[in-house]
Amino acid sequence: KQEVTQIPAALSVPEGENLVLNCSFTDSAIYNLQWFRQDPGKGLTSLLLIQSSQREQTSGRLNASLDKSSGRSTLYIAASQPGDSATYLCAVLHSGNTGKLIFGQGTTLQVKP
Amino acid sequence: DAGITQSPRYKITETGRQVTLMCHQTWSHSYMFWYRQDLGHGLRLIYYSAAADITDKGEVPDGYVVSRSKTENFPLTLESATRSQTSVYFCATSPTGAVWNSPLHFGNGTRLTVT
Repeated sequence: KQEVTQIPAALSVPEGENLVLNCSFTDSAIYNLQWFRQDPGKGLTSLLLIQSSQREQTSGRLNASLDKSSGRSTLYIAASQPGDSATYLCAVLHSGNTGKLIFGQGTTLQVKP
Repeated sequence: DAGITQSPRYKITETGRQVTLMCHQTWSHSYMFWYRQDLGHGLRLIYYSAAADITDKGEVPDGYVVSRSKTENFPLTLESATRSQTSVYFCATSPTGAVWNSPLHFGNGTRLTVT
């Protein structure tokens, strides 16, 4: 059974710091890995999607990497800002399961001014 | 462009009552999903639909019923609500034939409390 784990559960950093969020999964047979952002009381917003054949994706200050063989992904946030404060979730689309994303429990990030 | 609309945003109901959560999309995406989000469990898939009149169970389908007579609507019904179904429910969609390389789009959720 595919399991997705995110460490740490919570993170607090000063503004301007570069930071890394971690995601690990137990079964490397995935179609893609997605990173989402969730603000309090809101739904999830897609940040980056990495296909299983890709190593990384970039969007602005965000860079996500994928190492299927080790079952790991990282989300790198450069020059963090208070507006980056949110919960970040990773999810894997497990091969053979149509559209069924398996989510981690998220990392809650606080960026202090 | 409204995207995905979930209604109601908040609902309080009593144990044993039937309640329906609505999800409407304006994109004509083929795939639609219902997730519930709980502390300690994260997001878990309840049901999903690949197209109108095609639905399938997810990870936690017991106690829920879905239907999809039209592409744009995917209601979720709790036949006899229980306290364990107190949760935040999210509807999500994905474009036709592109679930593998297109991210999910989420609604803002319905917070359901069963007393």
